[in-house]
Amino acid sequence: EPEVTQTPSHQVTQMGQEVILRCVPISNHLYFYWYRQILGQKVEFLVSFYNNEISEKSEIFDDQFSVERPDGSNFTLKIRSTKLEDSAMYFCASSRQGQGSEAFFGQGTRLTVV
Amino acid sequence: GNSVTQMEGPVTLSEEAFLTINCTYTATGYPSLFWYVQYPGEGLQLLLKATKADDKGSNKGFEATYRKETTSFHLEKGSVQVSDSAVYFCALGGGRGATNKLIFGTGTLLAVQP
Repeated sequence: EPEVTQTPSHQVTQMGQEVILRCVPISNHLYFYWYRQILGQKVEFLVSFYNNEISEKSEIFDDQFSVERPDGSNFTLKIRSTKLEDSAMYFCASSRQGQGSEAFFGQGTRLTVV
Repeated sequence: GNSVTQMEGPVTLSEEAFLTINCTYTATGYPSLFWYVQYPGEGLQLLLKATKADDKGSNKGFEATYRKETTSFHLEKGSVQVSDSAVYFCALGGGRGATNKLIFGTGTLLAVQP
């Protein structure tokens, strides 16, 4: 069964460093997302991406964040200068269709900023 | 804007007990509704979905019915097992004027004891 894969599973970084979280969405999906979950809290939307551009972003997704689809298979989230409060589980998701359709999630990358 | 309200946890049950986790939503139009499950240390898995009023989603013995009159999508299972211990998230997508993202409830931790 096709699945969304994320790497790495866990990343520890120093405050102020740049990190890149990587995702391979399901191959015939057209919509890609990043969500995050701070430990024990709700799952929060960060950004959606369609047709090689951002279609929506939340207020969390400020200038420190960027996304890219560098080739036909990868989808990345970059945090330019990490802060302690960026520590969270980051989930990549993809869906075949847009509005109202289910999204399939990866296993997540646990980011720890020290 | 659209939102999801989920019953607070944790919910602790004995094996074979009946489970209900309440979920209500606020949305205009006709959103799709989902239940996702997160097992310990894992990502989010789609458990079931319903795309229109009176639809019943079901999977692995879990059921939820899309009730537009009460704006609810309560999750039920007749006889829980220890292996059902997880966090359950109600989510909403689509609806009038909505975008592609999913909006999640706060999650409900279910602990099933043998």
